[in-house]
Formats: sequence, structure tokens, C-alpha cells
Amino acid sequence: GESVGLHLPTLSVQEGDNSIINCAYSNSASDYFIWYKQESGKGPQFIIDIRSNMDKRQGQRVTVLLNKTVKHLSLQIAATQPGDSAVYFCAVPGSGGTSYGKLTFGQGTILTVHP
Amino acid sequence: DTGVSQNPRHKITKRGQNVTFRCDPISEHNRLYWYRQTLGQGPEFLTYFQNEAQLEKSRLLSDRFSAERPKGSFSTLEIQRTEQGDSAMYLCASSPRGAGGPRGSNEQFFGPGTRLTVL
Repeated sequence: GESVGLHLPTLSVQEGDNSIINCAYSNSASDYFIWYKQESGKGPQFIIDIRSNMDKRQGQRVTVLLNKTVKHLSLQIAATQPGDSAVYFCAVPGSGGTSYGKLTFGQGTILTVHP
Repeated sequence: DTGVSQNPRHKITKRGQNVTFRCDPISEHNRLYWYRQTLGQGPEFLTYFQNEAQLEKSRLLSDRFSAERPKGSFSTLEIQRTEQGDSAMYLCASSPRGAGGPRGSNEQFFGPGTRLTVL
């Protein structure tokens, strides 16, 4: 089955710095990856996704990098703002048929941005 | 508000009681998912529906748990004979389609969750 993990449970940065949050996955057959942001008291919110046929995908202030060789992905947030403070999760769908609807989430990284 | 809604937002119950939660997905979404999240952990998949059909069910979902989506719109999650270990946030999500859609994505839109405390 799928499992995901994160290298650091917490990350503290100064406002304006760039943040990098890492995630490792176990299933080399995984072909789609999602990053979610969860603020206190709210459900997870989609940030960005990437397919395995890509190495990099950019959004607004966020970039996801995928290294399939070492089964690692990262989320980079440029010019981090206090509003970015939240828990960040990577998630992968299950493989095969109806299991694709089943997301497996990592433990999460708590990002704290200091003004 | 056109997002996913969940009711109640908080539920406190005594061990052994039954509880039922409701989820209303985004109206045009045909897939609906239930997850459980404990403190300091990521959400764990419980089950999901495509329209009224329950497609996947986690081994985490013991026989005390049952989910329904009778008309393919809202869904309910019932926990019978609650235990203290059931205390968690129960999250509902919906999506317009599964893999193979125009975006080919599996973006799931989450509700705010129902926090269950079992005393």
C-alpha cells in the first residue's frame, strides 16, 4: 500500500523567506501527488498537484518539485507570509481502479511564519 | 456558501452512545469521501461514494461505523456504541470526478469537519 512521510514535523521561518517542505513516498507506481494546506479549525485546502510525467509545477508563489528516482517531492513557498502559517500535507491517491479515490496523507509539517 | 458543509461542527457524547454526522457536498460533485483525523496526524481515509454507490471502504471502518448516501447527494456517517478511541475530527470531502476527468486530477474539496469527543 501507499505510505507517505515528511522529513520535518515543524518549520519556522521569517516573513519574506522562502519555505521548503519535503515529503517522501513509498510506492514507485504513484503517478499523482497533491499538496494540501490546513489552517487551524478548518479542513484541508488544495494547493497544487503534480503528475509523475512532470518534474516541476509552479503556481502562485508555490512550486512543487518531484524526484521520482528517490521518491521525493517538495513544496516551495516563495516570500512566505504570516497567512501561510498552517499544517501542510502531501497526499497520494491509491493505485488501481476505485482505489484512486482514496487519498493517503502524510503526517504533516507545521509551518510557522514569524513577522 | 457553496462549499462542503458538515453538521454538527462539534459533538460531545458519552461512551456507548450512537452518533450521526451529516455531510452536504458541493452540489455538482458526484463523489463524496469521509476521512478521520486525530491530533497531530494527517487525515485517514474511511470510505467514499460515487453517487449513491459506496466504492471503497477502509479496514479502519469497523462494523460500528456505517455510511450512507441514499440519493447521491448528502451523506451520513453513523458510529454505534462509541468508544473513547473514536474521538477525532471527521472530515468530509467531495470531488466532481475521479481519475480520467478533463483535469485528470483527484482534487478533493474538504468541509470544516465534525469534531467528536467521546467521554
